[in-house]
Amino acid sequence: NAGVTQTPKFRVLKTGQSMTLLCAQDMNHEYMYWYRQDPGMGLRLIHYSVGEGTTAKGEVPDGYNVSRLKKQNFLLGLESAAPSQTSVYFCASSYGGGISTDTQYFGPGTRLTVL
Amino acid sequence: GENVEQHPSTLSVQEGDSAVIKCTYSDSASNYFPWYKQELGKGPQLIIDIRSNVGEKKDQRIAVTLNKTAKHFSLHITETQPEDSAVYFCAAGRSYNTDKLIFGTGTRLQVFP
Repeated sequence: NAGVTQTPKFRVLKTGQSMTLLCAQDMNHEYMYWYRQDPGMGLRLIHYSVGEGTTAKGEVPDGYNVSRLKKQNFLLGLESAAPSQTSVYFCASSYGGGISTDTQYFGPGTRLTVL
Repeated sequence: GENVEQHPSTLSVQEGDSAVIKCTYSDSASNYFPWYKQELGKGPQLIIDIRSNVGEKKDQRIAVTLNKTAKHFSLHITETQPEDSAVYFCAAGRSYNTDKLIFGTGTRLQVFP
């Protein structure tokens, strides 16, 4: 049981390049989330999904797209990377059944640098 | 919009002392308040949580208190140890509703031997 895994762990991009971050969970969770973590700003929600085939915007969605084609995977895409997207990205998942099942489990993070 | 304020941003204590981190939230419909610990280079990990029908919860050396009227909650760590050194995040959210969480900005706790 690996929990939540993220690929890649590190990436350096040039401005304007595109990339996709992959998140996978093996806990059969319904809900999945993408956050970014910047110094002094905590964790901010980018996009989230409440089930396979669904996505919704979070607090800071601009410049990102997501897809949830399979229940266990949640992809975060950057179509045209900008230096302001330099950050550490975390994926999380939760069971989604309500009380006592709302704990979010986090992956190890992806450190992205955009030059 | 909804937000969670967390204080202090840094906290240094001597091993064996207690540490207290405080958070206030704005969304009165919040009913779930978890605390996460993040060690260097790792993702956040849940250490304790509390729900709006409970005023206090304890788990060994850590405890969380909730004052729903004042909309604030606190993390208390007693008998601190060097391995407690990490960044701690509070969060507030609503169960049964996407489970979205609003996080505080974090507290870096350093425990000196």
